[in-house]
Amino acid sequence: GENVEQHPSTLSVQEGDSAVIKCTYSDSASNYFPWYKQELGKGPQLIIDIRSNVGEKKDQRIAVTLNKTAKHFSLHITETQPEDSAVYFCAASMDKIIFGKGTRLHILP
Amino acid sequence: DTGVSQNPRHKITKRGQNVTFRCDPISEHNRLYWYRQTLGQGPEFLTYFQNEAQLEKSRLLSDRFSAERPKGSFSTLEIQRTEQGDSAMYLCASSPGTGANEKLFFGSGTQLSVL
Repeated sequence: GENVEQHPSTLSVQEGDSAVIKCTYSDSASNYFPWYKQELGKGPQLIIDIRSNVGEKKDQRIAVTLNKTAKHFSLHITETQPEDSAVYFCAASMDKIIFGKGTRLHILP
Repeated sequence: DTGVSQNPRHKITKRGQNVTFRCDPISEHNRLYWYRQTLGQGPEFLTYFQNEAQLEKSRLLSDRFSAERPKGSFSTLEIQRTEQGDSAMYLCASSPGTGANEKLFFGSGTQLSVL
């Protein structure tokens, strides 16, 4: 089955700087790659997703890139703000969504 | 509130007892998923329903776990003879369509503690 690896597990960046989270997946048949944000005491919430026929997607300060050949995908957050502090999960899916272990992002004042 | 609702939010039980959780998905969402999340880990897939049909169960779901979705609306997840290793957050999610690769809307979860 699908296996998703995510790193780093923890990331601290100065407010206003950029943050990058990287993931790899194992099943070349996966064709959907969502990213979820989880705040304390809440369920994960989708922030952006990308499909295998697209290499890059951007939504305001958030962008995702996908390299299907290398089976890598990444999340980029620019101009980070305090409210970006949370746990971020990458995921990959062919028939069900499999999550990575998460990255705890700290935005430092 | 039209989001995914899970009850109870917290459940403390003694080892060996049975527990049941309920999930009310967003109205008219066809798919309903159960995930389990332990501290510092991502959600782990347990099972999912397409309307009332249970289409897949993870190997993580032992015989002590059973899930139902009668009439394709709310769902229940029952754990029999609970063990300390069952302690986790149990998350429910729903999606509107019939395809696999759609946005999941998660509830806030049921935190289970087995003493």
